[in-house]
Amino acid sequence: KQEVTQIPAALSVPEGENLVLNCSFTDSAIYNLQWFRQDPGKGLTSLLLIQSSQREQTSGRLNASLDKSSGRSTLYIAASQPGDSATYLCAVYPNSGYSTLTFGKGTMLLVSP
Amino acid sequence: DAGVTQSPTHLIKTRGQQVTLRCSPKSGHDTVSWYQQALGQGPQFIFQYYEEEERQRGNFPDRFSGHQFPNYSSELNVNALLLGDSALYLCASSPTDRGEAFFGQGTRLTVV
Repeated sequence: KQEVTQIPAALSVPEGENLVLNCSFTDSAIYNLQWFRQDPGKGLTSLLLIQSSQREQTSGRLNASLDKSSGRSTLYIAASQPGDSATYLCAVYPNSGYSTLTFGKGTMLLVSP
Repeated sequence: DAGVTQSPTHLIKTRGQQVTLRCSPKSGHDTVSWYQQALGQGPQFIFQYYEEEERQRGNFPDRFSGHQFPNYSSELNVNALLLGDSALYLCASSPTDRGEAFFGQGTRLTVV
C-alpha cells in the first residue's frame, strides 16, 4: 500500500526566505507526482505536475523535482511572500493507469511579513 | 471551460440521515473520482467512476455509494450518516489513460 509522507508538518518563515518542502513515498512505482496548494476550507489548486518521464517542473517562483528511485520529491519556493501561506499537498499517481491519487497530510506554511 | 463544479458548497445533516453530493466534470473528461478530506488530513480516495461503473474503490464502507450519468456527471451518496463523516468532499475529473486530475472546490459536510 502506497504511503506518502510530508515533512515538515508545519513551517513558519519570514517573508523573502527560500524554502524547501519535502515529500516521500514508499512505493517508487508511480506514474506522476503532483503538488497542490490548499487555502483554509477551500479546494485544491494544482501547482505543478511532474509526469513520469520528467525529473522536474518549474512555474514562476516554484520548482518541483522528482526522484522516483529514492521515492522523494521536493518543492522549492523562492523569495516567499505572505500570499504563499497555505497548506501544500503532495500526491502520487499509481502505475495502474488510473488517476487515483494518494496524498500526504500536507505542510502548513505561514509566511510572515 | 467551467472546470470541475460541485454542489452544494456547504451542507448540514443530522446523524442517521442520507446525503447526496453532485459533481460535474471538466469538459472532455470521462472519469470522476471522489475523495474525503477530514480536518488536518490529506484527501482519502473513496472511489472512481468510468463509463457509469465503479472502477476502483478505496477503504470506505458500503454506506458510501456513487453513480455516474451518461453525461459523465456523478453523485456521491452517503447513508446512515455518522459524526465522523463530517469532512470536505472533493470531486476530481480526468481524461482516460493516465490523465491529470482536476479538482473541484469541494462540498463541506457537517453532521450534527
